[in-house]
Amino acid sequence: AQSVAQPEDQVNVAEGNPLTVKCTYSVSGNPYLFWYVQYPNRGLQFLLKYITGDNLVKGSYGFEAEFNKSQTSFHLKKPSALVSDSALYFCAVRDWAASGGSYIPTFGRGTSLIVHP
Amino acid sequence: EAQVTQNPRYLITVTGKKLTVTCSQNMNHEYMSWYRQDPGLGLRQIYYSMNVEVTDKGDVPEGYKVSRKEKRNFPLILESPSPNQTSLYFCASSSPRGGETQYFGPGTRLLVL
Repeated sequence: AQSVAQPEDQVNVAEGNPLTVKCTYSVSGNPYLFWYVQYPNRGLQFLLKYITGDNLVKGSYGFEAEFNKSQTSFHLKKPSALVSDSALYFCAVRDWAASGGSYIPTFGRGTSLIVHP
Repeated sequence: EAQVTQNPRYLITVTGKKLTVTCSQNMNHEYMSWYRQDPGLGLRQIYYSMNVEVTDKGDVPEGYKVSRKEKRNFPLILESPSPNQTSLYFCASSSPRGGETQYFGPGTRLLVL
């Protein structure tokens, strides 16, 4: 089984400060990990993903995420937040070892990021 | 332009009146799925399809049906809608050839009275 948790419903940060949106996961095999962003009244857009290789993954709009296998985490980070980063962020996981079942990822509940001017 | 389209974007209906939400993708993706998004619950998977004529239940399939007769289309059918199906619905597609990155449609906001 695969599951993902986003422990914070909302994250508040001042513009120009670094931001972190947390994600932890559970899989029986190796994970495929994704971050998506949803702007108001829009569908979800892909930000970045980890499948294998370097633990630090860089994505769109200056975001990055670090895969930490020992802590089963995949936190999203950005060195300097912008007001325009305010949106809903979703972490998703797919168990690479999934067999006979879904190859579709499971999504977290989402974290609302609010960047204050 | 690579995209996933959904229709209608907004729909108000009454309890028990059958409806279909269409979803189409032009990227030749094998995988397609339907999600519903509700406040506080995030994105929950309704049904998914691994390829033509291959569909399976997700986490919340009750009250929904799907079909995959063509690779590009994956309609969501509500045979007898109820108020608890009022939600925001998203269709998505992906491919193992593309690292399974999902492409989402713009969403369909459904209100069942």
